[in-house]
Amino acid sequence: GDSVTQTEGPVTVSESESLIINCTYSATSIAYPNLFWYVRYPGEGLQLLLKVITAGQKGSSRGFEATYNKETTSFHLQKASVQESDSAVYYCALGDPAGNTGKLIFGLGTTLQVQP
Amino acid sequence: AQTIHQWPVAEIKAVGSPLSLGCTIKGKSSPNLYWYWQATGGTLQQLFYSITVGQVESVVQLNLSASRPKDDQFILSTEKLLLSHSGFYLCAWSRDRSYEQYFGPGTRLTVL
Repeated sequence: GDSVTQTEGPVTVSESESLIINCTYSATSIAYPNLFWYVRYPGEGLQLLLKVITAGQKGSSRGFEATYNKETTSFHLQKASVQESDSAVYYCALGDPAGNTGKLIFGLGTTLQVQP
Repeated sequence: AQTIHQWPVAEIKAVGSPLSLGCTIKGKSSPNLYWYWQATGGTLQQLFYSITVGQVESVVQLNLSASRPKDDQFILSTEKLLLSHSGFYLCAWSRDRSYEQYFGPGTRLTVL
């Protein structure tokens, strides 16, 4: 079936360190999946961080980057230097642009704690 | 700019009692609307979607129902709550089924 697996949290890093949150997907019923990273900051709603709809392309936002790798079915989230304000829960998600339901398939989420 | 509002923010309800959760989207005509649910420790699951007024499709059966009485309003309800209904309910909209979705702030439901 279709599924998303991401780094199990919590992930704790110190400010200015680099970060990678792994995301791999299985899209057995989706011909051309779209990939997303969503983020929920403390006390806020779920926000779109970045999206990539074409394999081989990279998306970026707020210093975060993720590359859609069809060969390894991965969409890892990276940042070169994290800040305390990046502390949040990050969700990787998979979408089917040709599907009837518009359903997004989410991973379990990864809690990131950035220490000052 | 589009805004999405959910109500209530949180609910504590008894098993067997009725439930109604609401969602309103402003600033976008004819949006696609979605309900998602997240159990504690679980992932977000899509429950319902709607592409137009009066039309709602169920994706997962959880003894819940949904309705879209107006273009900008989406309602989630049940006549009898179960313990398993506890969790976090999110409403979302998109321009089209192929586009990214934007989520509301959510409603935390606790069933006792």
